[in-house]
Amino acid sequence: GAVVSQHPSRVICKSGTSVKIECRSLDFQATTMFWYRQFPKQSLMLMATSNEGSKATYEQGVEKDKFLINHASLTLSTLTVTSAHPEDSSFYICSARAPGRGNSPLHFGNGTRLTVT
Amino acid sequence: QKEVEQNSGPLSVPEGAIASLNCTYSDRGSQSFFWYRQYSGKSPELIMFIYSNGDKEDGRFTAQLNKASQYVSLLIRDSQPSDSATYLCAVNDPYDKVIFGPGTSLSVIP
Repeated sequence: GAVVSQHPSRVICKSGTSVKIECRSLDFQATTMFWYRQFPKQSLMLMATSNEGSKATYEQGVEKDKFLINHASLTLSTLTVTSAHPEDSSFYICSARAPGRGNSPLHFGNGTRLTVT
Repeated sequence: QKEVEQNSGPLSVPEGAIASLNCTYSDRGSQSFFWYRQYSGKSPELIMFIYSNGDKEDGRFTAQLNKASQYVSLLIRDSQPSDSATYLCAVNDPYDKVIFGPGTSLSVIP
């Protein structure tokens, strides 16, 4: 149980374009999903918390107008990187908590490797 | 500043040995603690979670938690080459966010 699916797994785009990444909880409902970013040789950095039916909560230093998050249903959250630049190239990973107690572990999607040329 | 710290490694152990991975955290109000394994180019995979002081065992893995010392560890018994990966310590802070440490790279030598 607690399967999280992320799509696409890899995307290459040109500078200035936008990219949408989808994150789905396949066998459970997730009122909250978490978006992380990981640069090479670094750990996961929390970007934002996606809340179903309300605005996302962004971490300090993350531009909300650049990284648009929509959590329109209990099983789908999307992250759109707008006007992407080469410095946005990174590994983006979504996650959701397994059902159960409030601080249960996060389960991760397979990640999206974004390359901006 | 909320932090989760780990030795970056690399930690090298021979096959069959015990690998010991350590983690400390700064927020005393943290309640839940997780160990993830991450292979290169892949997303993290949950190995263990622990909520209470003491030891928790699952197969070859044992997680240890000492909240007074703000210390979490992971022991891997009978280490295998397939255990070679980066191990991420993660802490659920009082604000319901999961904060990750920098990871420890483990290499199990056949």
